[in-house]
Amino acid sequence: AQSVTQLGSHVSVSEGALVLLRCNYSSSVPPYLFWYVQYPNQGLQLLLKYTTGATLVKGINGFEAEFKKSETSFHLTKPSAHMSDAAEYFCAVSGWSGGGADGLTFGKGTHLIIQP
Amino acid sequence: NAGVTQTPKFRILKIGQSMTLQCTQDMNHNYMYWYRQDPGMGLKLIYYSVGAGITDKGEVPNGYNVSRSTTEDFPLRLELAAPSQTSVYFCASSLGGEREQYFGPGTRLTVT
Repeated sequence: AQSVTQLGSHVSVSEGALVLLRCNYSSSVPPYLFWYVQYPNQGLQLLLKYTTGATLVKGINGFEAEFKKSETSFHLTKPSAHMSDAAEYFCAVSGWSGGGADGLTFGKGTHLIIQP
Repeated sequence: NAGVTQTPKFRILKIGQSMTLQCTQDMNHNYMYWYRQDPGMGLKLIYYSVGAGITDKGEVPNGYNVSRSTTEDFPLRLELAAPSQTSVYFCASSLGGEREQYFGPGTRLTVT
């Protein structure tokens, strides 16, 4: 069964600093991987996804993530944090935790705090 | 193109009451999902559907029921509401099981 671990339930960075949100996954099959962002009182919005091909994936709002199969990781980065990046971020892997292929398994989320 | 819509946005229920959370998508997606989100716990899958007339249990189905009579609609029914069902509920849809999911804005439910 699939699983996702997001290191750090809260991450705080200064405005303009590098953002690094960590995600490790476990999957019995080649995974598709996703990062979602959730702003307060809203639904989840897709930031970026990895399916096949290039392992460095670029998404919206200047975010990118790199798929590293040997490390089973899919960390999310942004070179320079902006106040508007403050939100909850979720990593997800294809296949839900019950073992079926018909969905996604989500991590517990990382709350990103931007210090002025 | 409205995407995924959910109604109501907020609801307060008394213990033992029942209600239906509505979800509609206009993207012609076959796959639809219901999740609940509790603080610090991420999203847990309640039920999902791979097409009209086909539904299956997710990780936390107890206390809920679903139906899927059309491609567009996937209502979630709560029978005999309990305080443990206080949560934020999200509906999502996708083109396929491994594809990205599109989420509705959520329904915040409180059971007292």
